[in-house]
Parts: sequence; C-alpha cells; structure tokens
Amino acid sequence: KAGVTQTPRYLIKTRGQQVTLSCSPISGHRSVSWYQQTPGQGLQFLFEYFSETQRNKGNFPGRFSGRQFSNSRSEMNVSTLELGDSALYLCASSLGVGGGDTQYFGPGTRLTVL
Amino acid sequence: QKEVEQNSGPLSVPEGAIASLNCTYSDRGSQSFFWYRQYSGKSPELIMFIYSNGDKEDGRFTAQLNKASQYVSLLIRDSQPSDSATYLCAAPPGGGTSYGKLTFGQGTILTVHP
Repeated sequence: KAGVTQTPRYLIKTRGQQVTLSCSPISGHRSVSWYQQTPGQGLQFLFEYFSETQRNKGNFPGRFSGRQFSNSRSEMNVSTLELGDSALYLCASSLGVGGGDTQYFGPGTRLTVL
Repeated sequence: QKEVEQNSGPLSVPEGAIASLNCTYSDRGSQSFFWYRQYSGKSPELIMFIYSNGDKEDGRFTAQLNKASQYVSLLIRDSQPSDSATYLCAAPPGGGTSYGKLTFGQGTILTVHP
C-alpha cells in the first residue's frame, strides 16, 4: 500500500507571498492532520480534516488554512508569509475513526521564507 | 508544565546496550501513546503504540505504560548504530476533542556508538 505523499518537497518563498501545500493520504484513510515542525517549537498540530470538514484546530493564526477534497486529499495554505513560517510541514493520515488513531506521516514539505 | 515531556538527552549508548527513553504526560484523559523515530532530515516514522498498562514488545522494542504514574517508556534492546535518531513520544488529548491531534514531546536524541 502506498504511503502518504506530499508535494512539493521543497519550497522557497519571500515574505508576503502565499503558498499551497498538498497531501495525499494512504488509500482508505479519511483523516488528514497537518503539523508544523521547527527546531524551537518542535512538532505542533495545525488542523485535522475528515470527510471534507475541519474537525480540530490548533493554535495558529488565521493565515494558516486548509481544505480536504472528496478523495481525502488535502491542501494547506499559508497566506502573507512571515520569516517565522519557515519550517517542515508534515501531514499525517489515519482512519479517523477515533481520537487515538495511529497516524502515518508523509515525507514533509520544507518551506523556506526569505 | 508541557503536556508531554521527554528526558532531554541527548542519550548516548554503546552498541549492543539497552537504550531507555522516557516520557511523562499531564493529561490523565489520554488513552493511547505513540513512539515515533525521526532520522535527521526525515519525517517521523511510527515505531509502536500502546493503550494498556504494562509492557508491549515488538522485536527489539518494548513500550511500557503506567497510567497511574502518567509515564511511558521505550526500551531498545541490542541497540545498533542505525537506531541513532530522535525519538518522539506523542499522545492525543483526552476528552472528545482529540480528533487527529497528537501532542508531541520535544524528542530525545539517541546516539548509538560502535
């Protein structure tokens, strides 16, 4: 079974721009969670989507948004990029049937904001 | 107090020894616990999960959970240089709002030297 895929793998943007990241979950998984990983803050939860609906949200500003499509693929958007948004963005997929589902991570998108 | 805390490390053990990684959590409602391994520059990879008090073994890895003490550990027997990585402990929040969210510890860097 194919794993979680994320595109693009690397991105370089400048302050003020916006960016869209994509995630395709494992086949049969309906939940997609997004995380930001930085050296200072570690892994932090952004939001989770299930059946095209956001079910849970972390403590990030409204510049961070996402959506999910009917095939469970998900996109994450960051508008008005700031230097501090430079990070590894990870998506994880799971069955989504319970709060303690096992999550499997994609390879991540490394975003650099200049 | 952070919700999930790991011993800060770094931890260095000789090849063939037992590596012991520890994690405490503050949310008594958390019901499941996960250990991920993350190699430098890569995404987290699931090693084990544990739901019940006691030990759970999988090959060279043993996870231990003590809900009364709010303590989770991971033992790696016969450590190999290929085990050198950052180990992340994670748990979903308790209650009914944990969908898709895992709270991660800051990670423990393990080095296994020949």
